[in-house]
Amino acid sequence: DSGVTQTPKHLITATGQRVTLRCSPRSGDLSVYWYQQSLDQGLQFLIQYYNGEERAKGNILERFSAQQFPDLHSELNLSSLELGDSALYFCASSVSSVSYNEQFFGPGTRLTVL
Amino acid sequence: GENVEQHPSTLSVQEGDSAVIKCTYSDSASNYFPWYKQELGKRPQLIIDIRSNVGEKKDQRIAVTLNKTAKHFSLHITETQPEDSAVYFCAARIDGGADGLTFGKGTHLIIQP
Repeated sequence: DSGVTQTPKHLITATGQRVTLRCSPRSGDLSVYWYQQSLDQGLQFLIQYYNGEERAKGNILERFSAQQFPDLHSELNLSSLELGDSALYFCASSVSSVSYNEQFFGPGTRLTVL
Repeated sequence: GENVEQHPSTLSVQEGDSAVIKCTYSDSASNYFPWYKQELGKRPQLIIDIRSNVGEKKDQRIAVTLNKTAKHFSLHITETQPEDSAVYFCAARIDGGADGLTFGKGTHLIIQP
Protein backbone atom coordinates (compact mmCIF):
# COMPACT_ATOMS: atom_id res chain seq x y z
CA ASP A 1 0.00 0.00 0.00
CA SER A 2 1.55 3.29 -1.16
CA GLY A 3 -0.61 5.53 1.02
CA VAL A 4 -2.18 7.14 -2.06
CA THR A 5 -5.91 6.46 -2.39
CA GLN A 6 -8.10 6.75 -5.45
CA THR A 7 -11.83 6.48 -5.89
CA PRO A 8 -13.72 4.96 -7.50
CA LYS A 9 -11.88 1.77 -8.41
CA HIS A 10 -13.97 1.16 -11.50
CA LEU A 11 -16.18 3.46 -13.52
CA ILE A 12 -18.41 2.50 -16.45
CA THR A 13 -20.13 5.25 -18.36
CA ALA A 14 -21.39 6.20 -21.81
CA THR A 15 -19.96 8.39 -24.54
CA GLY A 16 -20.66 12.08 -24.07
CA GLN A 17 -20.86 11.83 -20.28
CA ARG A 18 -18.72 13.52 -17.62
CA VAL A 19 -16.96 11.82 -14.71
CA THR A 20 -14.82 12.88 -11.76
CA LEU A 21 -11.92 10.84 -10.41
CA ARG A 22 -10.63 11.52 -6.93
CA CYS A 23 -7.19 11.16 -5.40
CA SER A 24 -5.87 11.60 -1.87
CA PRO A 25 -2.06 11.89 -1.66
CA ARG A 26 0.15 10.39 1.03
CA SER A 27 0.17 12.32 4.24
CA GLY A 28 2.67 15.16 3.92
CA ASP A 29 2.97 15.03 0.14
CA LEU A 30 2.34 18.35 -1.59
CA SER A 31 2.63 17.29 -5.24
CA VAL A 32 -0.02 15.34 -7.12
CA TYR A 33 0.37 13.95 -10.62
CA TRP A 34 -2.20 12.36 -12.93
CA TYR A 35 -1.25 9.70 -15.48
CA GLN A 36 -3.26 7.82 -18.09
CA GLN A 37 -2.37 4.23 -18.99
CA SER A 38 -3.76 2.67 -22.14
CA LEU A 39 -2.62 -0.23 -24.30
CA ASP A 40 -1.75 1.91 -27.30
CA GLN A 41 -0.32 5.02 -25.58
CA GLY A 42 1.33 3.44 -22.55
CA LEU A 43 1.75 5.51 -19.37
CA GLN A 44 1.33 9.21 -20.14
CA PHE A 45 1.67 12.21 -17.87
CA LEU A 46 -1.42 14.41 -17.85
CA ILE A 47 -1.00 17.16 -15.26
CA GLN A 48 0.79 18.09 -12.04
CA TYR A 49 -0.32 20.16 -9.05
CA TYR A 50 1.84 21.42 -6.25
CA ASN A 51 0.30 22.77 -3.05
CA GLY A 52 -2.91 23.77 -4.81
CA GLU A 53 -1.34 25.33 -7.90
CA GLU A 54 -1.06 23.84 -11.38
CA ARG A 55 2.64 23.22 -12.00
CA ALA A 56 2.89 21.40 -15.31
CA LYS A 57 0.76 20.12 -18.12
CA GLY A 58 1.51 17.07 -20.20
CA ASN A 59 -0.63 15.36 -22.82
CA ILE A 60 -3.92 16.44 -21.29
CA LEU A 61 -6.88 16.97 -23.59
CA GLU A 62 -8.90 20.19 -23.41
CA ARG A 63 -11.92 18.08 -22.40
CA PHE A 64 -10.03 17.11 -19.25
CA SER A 65 -9.37 19.34 -16.27
CA ALA A 66 -8.08 18.93 -12.75
CA GLN A 67 -7.72 20.77 -9.49
CA GLN A 68 -6.08 20.36 -6.12
CA PHE A 69 -8.00 21.46 -3.06
CA PRO A 70 -6.74 23.11 0.17
CA ASP A 71 -6.69 19.71 1.91
CA LEU A 72 -4.40 18.58 -0.99
CA HIS A 73 -6.74 16.00 -2.45
CA SER A 74 -7.12 16.25 -6.20
CA GLU A 75 -9.87 15.61 -8.73
CA LEU A 76 -9.57 14.87 -12.42
CA ASN A 77 -12.64 15.81 -14.46
CA LEU A 78 -13.20 14.12 -17.81
CA SER A 79 -16.00 15.45 -20.00
CA SER A 80 -17.56 14.69 -23.40
CA LEU A 81 -16.17 11.20 -23.00
CA GLU A 82 -15.16 9.20 -26.05
CA LEU A 83 -14.48 5.48 -26.47
CA GLY A 84 -10.77 6.24 -26.65
CA ASP A 85 -10.79 7.68 -23.15
CA SER A 86 -11.19 4.18 -21.74
CA ALA A 87 -8.02 3.62 -19.73
CA LEU A 88 -6.52 3.20 -16.29
CA TYR A 89 -6.01 6.57 -14.60
CA PHE A 90 -3.35 6.77 -11.93
CA CYS A 91 -2.68 9.45 -9.42
CA ALA A 92 0.77 9.75 -7.87
CA SER A 93 2.12 11.94 -5.11
CA SER A 94 5.52 13.12 -3.93
CA VAL A 95 6.85 15.20 -1.08
CA SER A 96 7.69 18.18 -3.25
CA SER A 97 8.07 19.04 -6.91
CA VAL A 98 11.82 18.38 -7.00
CA SER A 99 12.57 16.18 -9.99
CA TYR A 100 14.18 13.29 -8.09
CA ASN A 101 11.51 12.89 -5.41
CA GLU A 102 9.97 9.42 -5.62
CA GLN A 103 6.45 9.40 -6.98
CA PHE A 104 4.12 7.00 -5.18
CA PHE A 105 1.28 5.68 -7.30
CA GLY A 106 -2.26 5.01 -6.19
CA PRO A 107 -4.18 1.85 -7.17
CA GLY A 108 -5.79 3.56 -10.16
CA THR A 109 -9.29 4.07 -11.49
CA ARG A 110 -10.31 1.93 -14.44
CA LEU A 111 -12.59 3.92 -16.72
CA THR A 112 -14.67 2.14 -19.33
CA VAL A 113 -16.57 4.27 -21.84
CA LEU A 114 -19.30 2.38 -23.73
CA GLY B 1 9.64 17.41 -24.80
CA GLU B 2 11.38 14.33 -23.51
CA ASN B 3 11.12 11.03 -25.38
CA VAL B 4 12.06 7.67 -23.87
CA GLU B 5 12.61 4.53 -25.94
CA GLN B 6 12.66 1.12 -24.22
CA HIS B 7 13.83 -2.28 -25.49
CA PRO B 8 12.96 -5.07 -25.70
CA SER B 9 9.17 -5.06 -25.46
CA THR B 10 9.20 -8.70 -24.29
CA LEU B 11 12.03 -10.58 -22.60
CA SER B 12 11.93 -14.24 -21.67
CA VAL B 13 14.73 -15.67 -19.51
CA GLN B 14 15.33 -18.88 -17.60
CA GLU B 15 14.96 -18.73 -13.84
CA GLY B 16 18.34 -17.95 -12.33
CA ASP B 17 19.64 -16.15 -15.42
CA SER B 18 20.15 -12.39 -15.74
CA ALA B 19 17.85 -9.94 -17.50
CA VAL B 20 18.81 -6.60 -19.02
CA ILE B 21 16.40 -3.89 -20.17
CA LYS B 22 17.66 -0.82 -22.01
CA CYS B 23 16.31 2.71 -22.39
CA THR B 24 17.40 5.82 -24.22
CA TYR B 25 16.25 9.37 -23.60
CA SER B 26 16.37 12.45 -25.77
CA ASP B 27 16.60 15.49 -23.50
CA SER B 28 20.00 16.14 -21.92
CA ALA B 29 18.22 18.19 -19.24
CA SER B 30 16.78 15.00 -17.73
CA ASN B 31 18.41 14.24 -14.40
CA TYR B 32 16.30 11.54 -12.75
CA PHE B 33 15.74 8.01 -14.06
CA PRO B 34 13.46 5.70 -12.08
CA TRP B 35 12.44 2.14 -12.89
CA TYR B 36 8.96 0.90 -12.05
CA LYS B 37 7.62 -2.63 -11.83
CA GLN B 38 3.95 -3.21 -12.58
CA GLU B 39 2.18 -6.48 -11.97
CA LEU B 40 -1.04 -7.22 -13.82
CA GLY B 41 -3.84 -4.93 -12.68
CA LYS B 42 -1.68 -3.27 -10.05
CA ARG B 43 -0.07 0.12 -9.62
CA PRO B 44 3.48 0.86 -10.78
CA GLN B 45 5.98 0.49 -7.94
CA LEU B 46 9.44 2.02 -7.83
CA ILE B 47 12.18 -0.61 -7.69
CA ILE B 48 15.28 1.52 -8.19
CA ASP B 49 16.21 4.98 -9.38
CA ILE B 50 19.34 6.88 -10.34
CA ARG B 51 20.23 10.53 -10.55
CA SER B 52 22.36 12.02 -13.29
CA ASN B 53 25.35 12.62 -11.01
CA VAL B 54 25.74 8.86 -10.47
CA GLY B 55 26.85 6.25 -13.01
CA GLU B 56 25.64 3.10 -11.30
CA LYS B 57 23.45 2.05 -8.39
CA LYS B 58 22.81 -1.38 -6.96
CA ASP B 59 20.22 -2.82 -4.60
CA GLN B 60 20.63 -6.55 -3.96
CA ARG B 61 19.81 -8.32 -7.26
CA ILE B 62 18.88 -5.12 -9.09
CA ALA B 63 21.25 -2.57 -10.58
CA VAL B 64 20.89 0.42 -12.87
CA THR B 65 23.62 2.00 -15.02
CA LEU B 66 23.52 5.42 -16.63
CA ASN B 67 25.58 6.74 -19.54
CA LYS B 68 24.87 10.48 -19.78
CA THR B 69 27.01 10.98 -22.86
CA ALA B 70 25.10 8.37 -24.84
CA LYS B 71 21.82 9.23 -23.09
CA HIS B 72 21.01 5.68 -22.17
CA PHE B 73 20.36 3.74 -18.99
CA SER B 74 19.81 0.07 -18.26
CA LEU B 75 18.22 -2.16 -15.66
CA HIS B 76 20.02 -5.35 -14.69
CA ILE B 77 18.33 -8.11 -12.71
CA THR B 78 20.53 -11.03 -11.63
CA GLU B 79 19.49 -14.50 -10.40
CA THR B 80 15.96 -13.99 -11.68
CA GLN B 81 13.07 -15.54 -9.76
CA PRO B 82 9.44 -16.28 -10.73
CA GLU B 83 8.25 -13.24 -8.76
CA ASP B 84 10.31 -11.00 -11.06
CA SER B 85 7.76 -11.68 -13.83
CA ALA B 86 6.03 -8.35 -14.50
CA VAL B 87 6.09 -5.33 -16.81
CA TYR B 88 9.01 -2.99 -16.18
CA PHE B 89 8.95 0.68 -17.15
CA CYS B 90 11.85 3.05 -17.37
CA ALA B 91 11.22 6.77 -17.03
CA ALA B 92 13.00 10.10 -17.16
CA ARG B 93 12.30 13.46 -15.62
CA ILE B 94 13.67 16.84 -16.60
CA ASP B 95 15.56 18.89 -14.06
CA GLY B 96 13.45 21.52 -12.32
CA GLY B 97 10.55 19.24 -11.57
CA ALA B 98 8.01 21.22 -13.55
CA ASP B 99 6.98 18.13 -15.42
CA GLY B 100 5.87 14.59 -14.85
CA LEU B 101 7.70 11.39 -15.63
CA THR B 102 8.11 10.41 -19.27
CA PHE B 103 7.81 6.64 -19.47
CA GLY B 104 9.10 4.08 -21.92
CA LYS B 105 6.56 1.67 -23.45
CA GLY B 106 7.43 -1.10 -21.02
CA THR B 107 9.12 -4.52 -21.10
CA HIS B 108 7.17 -7.65 -20.29
CA LEU B 109 9.65 -9.84 -18.42
CA ILE B 110 8.80 -13.54 -18.36
CA ILE B 111 10.75 -15.87 -16.08
CA GLN B 112 10.67 -19.43 -17.38
CA PRO B 113 10.86 -22.14 -14.66
